[in-house]
Amino acid sequence: AQSVTQLGSHVSVSEGALVLLRCNYSSSVPPYLFWYVQYPNQGLQLLLKYTSAATLVKGINGFEAEFKKSETSFHLTKPSAHMSDAAEYFCAVSDPNTGFQKLVFGTGTRLLVSP
Amino acid sequence: EAGVTQFPSHSVIEKGQTVTLRCDPISGHDNLYWYRRVMGKEIKFLLHFVKESKQDESGMPNNRFLAERTGGTYSTLKVQPAELEDSGVYFCASSLGTGGLNTEAFFGQGTRLTVV
Repeated sequence: AQSVTQLGSHVSVSEGALVLLRCNYSSSVPPYLFWYVQYPNQGLQLLLKYTSAATLVKGINGFEAEFKKSETSFHLTKPSAHMSDAAEYFCAVSDPNTGFQKLVFGTGTRLLVSP
Repeated sequence: EAGVTQFPSHSVIEKGQTVTLRCDPISGHDNLYWYRRVMGKEIKFLLHFVKESKQDESGMPNNRFLAERTGGTYSTLKVQPAELEDSGVYFCASSLGTGGLNTEAFFGQGTRLTVV
């Protein structure tokens, strides 16, 4: 069975600081991995995805994530936080055989950005 | 192009009542998914439609939940009778395909259900 662990339900950073949101996964097969973001009063939006191509994945809004098989991690980073990055972020995993059919999500991390 | 639309956005009902949630997927998307997030926990898969057929309903919690997708367009999720533990945010998503490299699942903004 697949599972996702997101360390820290809340992460606080100052504007301009590095953003690091942690995600570790468990999967019996090489997984697909995703990061989604939910801004207030909006739906989940795909930030980026790893589908067994390049291990460093670049997404929208300056975010990127690196797949590290040895650490079973897929941490999300952004060099410089903006106030507009304040949102809730979800890491998700799926079996490539099922793709988007059955995403397994973590519990989410709320990013707070202070001026 | 319109995104995935869900309504109502909020619903407050009493225990024992019936509630029906609706999802309109992106036009042309054969795949429709329902997910649920109970307060403070992870978002969990409920079921997957391909057109009007249920492809996978392994995540449905019990027989108080009934999902339909007549005609392969919009979908409804009925909870009858509602219990307190059914409270949460119900997300709908749709996709053109199911797993290709260029496939993406688009999510609606969710319906927040509160059972009191």
